[in-house]
Amino acid sequence: DTEVTQTPKHLVMGMTNKKSLKCEQHMGHRAMYWYKQKAKKPPELMFVYSYEKLSINESVPSRFSPECPNSSLLNLHLHALQPEDSALYLCASSQAFLTMGNQPQHFGDGTRLSIL
Amino acid sequence: AQSVTQLDSHVSVSEGTPVLLRCNYSSSYSPSLFWYVQHPNKGLQLLLKYTSAATLVKGINGFEAEFKKSETSFHLTKPSAHMSDAAEYFCVVSDRGGTASKLTFGTGTRLQVTL
Repeated sequence: DTEVTQTPKHLVMGMTNKKSLKCEQHMGHRAMYWYKQKAKKPPELMFVYSYEKLSINESVPSRFSPECPNSSLLNLHLHALQPEDSALYLCASSQAFLTMGNQPQHFGDGTRLSIL
Repeated sequence: AQSVTQLDSHVSVSEGTPVLLRCNYSSSYSPSLFWYVQHPNKGLQLLLKYTSAATLVKGINGFEAEFKKSETSFHLTKPSAHMSDAAEYFCVVSDRGGTASKLTFGTGTRLQVTL
């Protein structure tokens, strides 16, 4: 069992729908991440939150909207997605220290998203 | 800037034989390096990490890796493969900035284990 929990595990949505992906961790980590992973490829970073503030947005289209309501929760709001957005969406968390960027990230099992 | 090269996209071994997955890195400073494993329809699981302590790093499930600065390598090994080791393996280097780590992934090595 992973310590980062993602829901739902699978999601099928139309291009006009609005849905949200959820991620939760209780390890006291103050850095949280969203990744997108296409088949047979490594994960691609989308967003980074540090101490509940957005610190990195990797030029992600605005149809993806992240939210970090508290230190344990991370959401990814989806609206008007395209078929090419079909992928595995992974959430991760890590410790956050001012002088160290080398803490390992702990990943959830992801949400497999299919856009019809 | 840092980068990671995984030298083999696919490795096939027989059960009970040694495993070697090769990784070379490039970094302008002393790097933090990780190996992650991903089983089908699962997230990434941390196997081991190097953060400038011992150069020989032991991880979970019998895996280990040796950091060789002179060769800029961080190869992953296991003495005896098990069927459950069949998965995708990623070599990863981390930057050193700020309060969150930004990872650079290799392209992955698919390990196949045959009877």
